[in-house]
Amino acid sequence: GAGVSQSPSNKVTEKGKDVELRCDPISGHTALYWYRQSLGQGLEFLIYFQGNSAPDKSGLPSDRFSAERTGGSVSTLTIQRTQQEDSAVYLCASSLFGGGIKETQYFGPGTRLLVL
Amino acid sequence: GENVEQHPSTLSVQEGDSAVIKCTYSDSASNYFPWYKQELGKRPQLIIDIRSNVGEKKDQRIAVTLNKTAKHFSLHITETQPEDSAVYFCAVRTDSWGKLQFGAGTQVVVTP
Repeated sequence: GAGVSQSPSNKVTEKGKDVELRCDPISGHTALYWYRQSLGQGLEFLIYFQGNSAPDKSGLPSDRFSAERTGGSVSTLTIQRTQQEDSAVYLCASSLFGGGIKETQYFGPGTRLLVL
Repeated sequence: GENVEQHPSTLSVQEGDSAVIKCTYSDSASNYFPWYKQELGKRPQLIIDIRSNVGEKKDQRIAVTLNKTAKHFSLHITETQPEDSAVYFCAVRTDSWGKLQFGAGTQVVVTP
């Protein structure tokens, strides 16, 4: 079946502009995660959704970052007033139940963001 | 919070030899330990995982061992092949939400 998809695959923006990144999880997966991967680094947790609510936003680096999820499916990560240090690959993952037995997280291909 | 350290950062092996990557973690409540493989420009793919009630798990040429007392777990790849070349990430889950804390990654290069 279809895996996790993300769009756009690449985004180049100017410093100070806002960007929106989209994630389509695997159908039926209730849990959705956003991670950030800077060049040559590991994955950094940003936010977790269970359904439409976000019980864990602890990884969002600043109040310029926000995310929402509608209909228990698609999620959008918004970065306002982008800065050069926001340049990274933003990865989305989904899993069936989150912390339950079927907790395998499946990743999307990522959105590569470059802030000039 | 949880701290995950991964070693080595790079690993070069001859085809056919074994590769071992080790990760240590700090939170004794951690209960799930997956390993992901990421090829250049691709998404991370789960290759094997282990839960805290198991000491070892094997899947063909890949195995993972867990030492809960010492708080470390390792990935073992035997009979390495060029297609094993990639970055490997360990991860740890501590809380009930399922978020993963990742190690910094190991670049594995298998030379023919």
